[in-house]
Amino acid sequence: QITLEESGPSLVKPTQTLTLTCSFSGFSLNSVGASVAWLRQPPGKAPEWLAVVYWDDDKRYSPALKGRLTITKDTSRNQVVLKVTDVDRVDTATHFCVHSQTASGRIYWGRGILVTVSS
Amino acid sequence: EIVLTQSPGTLSLSPGERVTLSCRASESVRSTYFAWYQQRPGQAPRLLIYSTSFRAIGIPDRFSGSGSGTDFSLTISGLEPADFGVYYCQQYEMSPWTFGQGTKVEI
Repeated sequence: QITLEESGPSLVKPTQTLTLTCSFSGFSLNSVGASVAWLRQPPGKAPEWLAVVYWDDDKRYSPALKGRLTITKDTSRNQVVLKVTDVDRVDTATHFCVHSQTASGRIYWGRGILVTVSS
Repeated sequence: EIVLTQSPGTLSLSPGERVTLSCRASESVRSTYFAWYQQRPGQAPRLLIYSTSFRAIGIPDRFSGSGSGTDFSLTISGLEPADFGVYYCQQYEMSPWTFGQGTKVEI
């Protein structure tokens, strides 16, 4: 059974760096075709993709936030970490980590974590 | 980036009706990497369909997906009150993954 769980702060101040951790089980990020992505959904808006890391450590970032995002994987701990620098109130959103498998197209979501940016 | 355009924007329907939601992509998407979600207020998106036509675990067979290239659709046969919410399409073939703007279904 594949599960993903997001963790991190529920409240961060403007200009701070947000660090989120995705802990997963049921698959290996060393397996060819595996990937873990981060998405977010501001209140009342559609989901928005942020970044993805692939099994071969290839990384892609949202052009809209590029420069503020860093995604890393720790395959020994089965974790993927996302850092978002210089946060602003508009970064308030529920953040999700998502696993997909290239061969099958299967996709799995975590439950999400609400992060509020406020002073 | 691939832009997904959903239609219609809002639907007001009655239980038992059959409805088809549409999603058009600005460029071709491989069917392996196309999904549909339902989202009720205050809840996370719920995966309904992945790879265009495969139902996710626990999704009833009144939900079905189809399509290819740039045109995809989600059909709900026999609407139930629990089917209200906003429906999103998504492509996850190419970065950035993108979503449609959503179709709101009111029962």
